[in-house]
Amino acid sequence: AQKVTQAQTEISVVEKEDVTLDCVYETRDTTYYLFWYKQPPSGELVFLIRRNSFDEQNEISGRYSWNFQKSTSSFNFTITASQVVDSAVYFCALRGDFNKFYFGSGTKLNVKP
Amino acid sequence: ETGVTQTPRHLVMGMTNKKSLKCEQHLGHNAMYWYKQSAKKPLELMFVYNFKEQTENNSVPSRFSPECPNSSHLFLHLHTLQPEDSALYLCASSRDIQGPNEAFFGQGTRLTVV
Repeated sequence: AQKVTQAQTEISVVEKEDVTLDCVYETRDTTYYLFWYKQPPSGELVFLIRRNSFDEQNEISGRYSWNFQKSTSSFNFTITASQVVDSAVYFCALRGDFNKFYFGSGTKLNVKP
Repeated sequence: ETGVTQTPRHLVMGMTNKKSLKCEQHLGHNAMYWYKQSAKKPLELMFVYNFKEQTENNSVPSRFSPECPNSSHLFLHLHTLQPEDSALYLCASSRDIQGPNEAFFGQGTRLTVV
């Protein structure tokens, strides 16, 4: 079975704080892909990152960083020095070798000025 | 133009109406998807098309009828909907239905059934 769990329904932080969004996944596939998407109030899901199961290197892109750990089946997303524009719903997703994307239920991030 | 375009952005329809949602992608992708996003619910996959052929129907009621005339266009025909069908309908595309291919989403159609 494939499953993605985002246990944090909603998080509120004050601007410039660091925040980590958790993502835990379940899969029996040996090859799989993990994704993070951002959904601002406008509605469109914006692709942020893809990570392949065979590549456990962490990644940093500006204020964003991702920590992939196969041992704990986690793919966490950290925003450093958060900004009001980071306010959105963030989705973690899993895709096995075949067509389905499995999305978590999303974490709503509120960044207050 | 953005990669995936959906029209209309907002739609209000009565339960006896017939309407269609349109999705167009300019990314040269082969796979297209319809998702439903209801308030406080996870994204629900509705349909998957690969090279114009439907590869998945996720037990969607027949009042939703998809159409994919080519790899760039996807429609969702709606008829005799129920108020609980009110939701954000998102279209997405990916290069293929397998492998390391992320999906790119449109801005969605906010549907209200009255």
